[in-house]
Amino acid sequence: DTGVSQDPRHKITKRGQNVTFRCDPISEHNRLYWYRQTLGQGPEFLTYFQNEAQLEKSRLLSDRFSAERPKGSFSTLEIQRTEQGDSAMYLCASSRTGGRDGYTFGSGTRLTVV
Amino acid sequence: AQKITQTQPGMFVQEKEAVTLDCTYDTSDPSYGLFWYKQPSSGEMIFLIYQGSYDQQNATEGRYSLNFQKARKSANLVISASQLGDSAMYFCAMSGIIQGAQKLVFGQGTRLTINP
Repeated sequence: DTGVSQDPRHKITKRGQNVTFRCDPISEHNRLYWYRQTLGQGPEFLTYFQNEAQLEKSRLLSDRFSAERPKGSFSTLEIQRTEQGDSAMYLCASSRTGGRDGYTFGSGTRLTVV
Repeated sequence: AQKITQTQPGMFVQEKEAVTLDCTYDTSDPSYGLFWYKQPSSGEMIFLIYQGSYDQQNATEGRYSLNFQKARKSANLVISASQLGDSAMYFCAMSGIIQGAQKLVFGQGTRLTINP
């Protein structure tokens, strides 16, 4: 068990470009979550998968954002036509039950849009 | 809707002292879970402690304990014998168990600084 892995750790992109982030959860965790964290704030929920099914999406997730979890394993988060307001830390977390065993977070992908 | 409030933007404590980080919450769910996470400057979120709304006793994990007062809707984190390595951001979070704990809702965090 190597924990939750996120790639890349850092991404600098020009406004208008598309970016894609990857998250590899803990293998026995069937629940996967994406969060966004801006400077000085707590993480905000973006979306949630149980296995390959995307069960919940925040209204923060505009139509420029899309997330997938093919085969219920790794997940990708794509942002199209990036804007400066998309600059943030994107955190992935996985969980087995979502209860007292907790949610395990990755180290995040820090996106800077210039 | 669930809401977490952390009213202390920053706390400064001398090494080896105990520190209490405040957290209040609001929810209409009768069953929920409360979490505390530590976020060092490196960015990863480290799970510290969990309290279920129906747990009879306050949770403890090593130097961490959770002072859970259900009637006041508060879930304060107590760190005993603070260490320099405790300096970090601390987030309180809540999950709704009835909906299968679909997501965590976080507070704005408290930045804890331990002085030598």
